[in-house]
Amino acid sequence: QSALTQPASVSGSPGQSITISCTGTSSDVGSYNLVSWYQQHPGKAPKLIIYEGIKRPSGVSTRFSGSKSGNTASLTISGLQAEDEADYYCCSYAGSSTFYVFGTGTKVTVL
Amino acid sequence: EVQLVESGGDLVQPGRSLRLSCAASGFTFDDYAMHWVRQAPGKGLEWVSSISWNGGSIGYADSVKGRFTISRDNAKNSLYLQMNSLRAEDTALYYCVNSRGLRAYFDYWGQGTLVSVSS
Repeated sequence: QSALTQPASVSGSPGQSITISCTGTSSDVGSYNLVSWYQQHPGKAPKLIIYEGIKRPSGVSTRFSGSKSGNTASLTISGLQAEDEADYYCCSYAGSSTFYVFGTGTKVTVL
Repeated sequence: EVQLVESGGDLVQPGRSLRLSCAASGFTFDDYAMHWVRQAPGKGLEWVSSISWNGGSIGYADSVKGRFTISRDNAKNSLYLQMNSLRAEDTALYYCVNSRGLRAYFDYWGQGTLVSVSS
């Protein structure tokens, strides 16, 4: 049950776009279209922002989008805003014995 | 409004036991799978355990397998985590989370209950 690999930090200026990668294996990210992404502000519980790789829950900004290629999923934040400064985690379903695996987390800084 | 309220967190010595509870409201509890996810201080999220809507399917992270037991009481809209043989590395904020199924995304999260394991 190794964690999915994310960059420790990503930064961008307001209005720019940034992309966070989430690299797993053929046993998790590569096998299922079941990657989700969570945003966590300091001292708060995580919040779902992308599910099933590309879908946005109701109420989540269209500036957030997801994609996947092979064993790597990605989260793109367009038109970066100060409120996007937070930690971001990916998560993948990993089968009926492992169930779930989270990414290592990425701290997004808005310059 | 969906509410998940965890309780039971405490400071305990290594080797001791603790039972966490999660009271759910605002949704049809037995339509949902339930999970525990933890976060050590200053660290990332770690999946701990999951249980299907009827308890028929259960899973554990390798780090807690054999020591933790997840259960639910649909009549009481409650989720539990029995934690035995606690270790320092179990120190974390434990979140109660729901999902539409065992393969689905984590939908709503509670605010967490803090477990500290130290002598």
